Amino acid sequence: GAGVSQSPSNKVTEKGKDVELRCDPISGHTALYWYRQRLGQGLEFLIYFQGNSAPDKSGLPSDRFSAERTGESVSTLTIQRTQQEDSAVYLCASSLGFRSMDTQYFGPGTRLTVL
Amino acid sequence: AQSVAQPEDQVNVAEGNPLTVKCTYSVSGNPYLFWYVQYPNRGLQFLLKYITGDNLVKGSYGFEAEFNKSQTSFHLKKPSALVSDSALYFCAVRDLLNAGNNRKLIWGLGTSLAVNP
Repeated sequence: GAGVSQSPSNKVTEKGKDVELRCDPISGHTALYWYRQRLGQGLEFLIYFQGNSAPDKSGLPSDRFSAERTGESVSTLTIQRTQQEDSAVYLCASSLGFRSMDTQYFGPGTRLTVL
Repeated sequence: AQSVAQPEDQVNVAEGNPLTVKCTYSVSGNPYLFWYVQYPNRGLQFLLKYITGDNLVKGSYGFEAEFNKSQTSFHLKKPSALVSDSALYFCAVRDLLNAGNNRKLIWGLGTSLAVNP
């Protein structure tokens, strides 16, 4: 596809359940980012992947959060034992490379609601 | 400490009037600066960026932004607002001094722009 895609677009789950969110970056983009956006707030960085380098996990809020990326393609963000405070829109972005000037292109997001 | 401030939570402007959405930043070195727009129920879209060179940067949808180093600002502007410009606008900065170790953008909290017909 032409842009970053994310699935599902909406996810409603019960407290304590695990969820898995998927991101397909733009083809050829080596860098991939996950962000969280709570209602009415700005973007909160979660994790960054660049090629085969070790990911930057410094933004993950707890050990319930993890992410994986296969090569330079799909990434999955997993939230275990979801809590109500995990409710947010989870945004994925990709960029051509790791240079500071590279523009990040965002997917439409996954809206997660934890009941 | 690196930071980005968008001092206005909301900006209201009449259609056809010029609009300004403010952004100031604080970084240790030289900045790369970005503006993104988020339309309702949609992802963020890139508008424009300042890397180097001309302080006035032109971007998508008729928007432009002026980099002012002395005032550490990067305000977003448009000469004539449209109702369809109503959206949430985010300013972001990357600190070149730390670029080697930190690929993360520092984001402002966003400014909601409402253009009234």
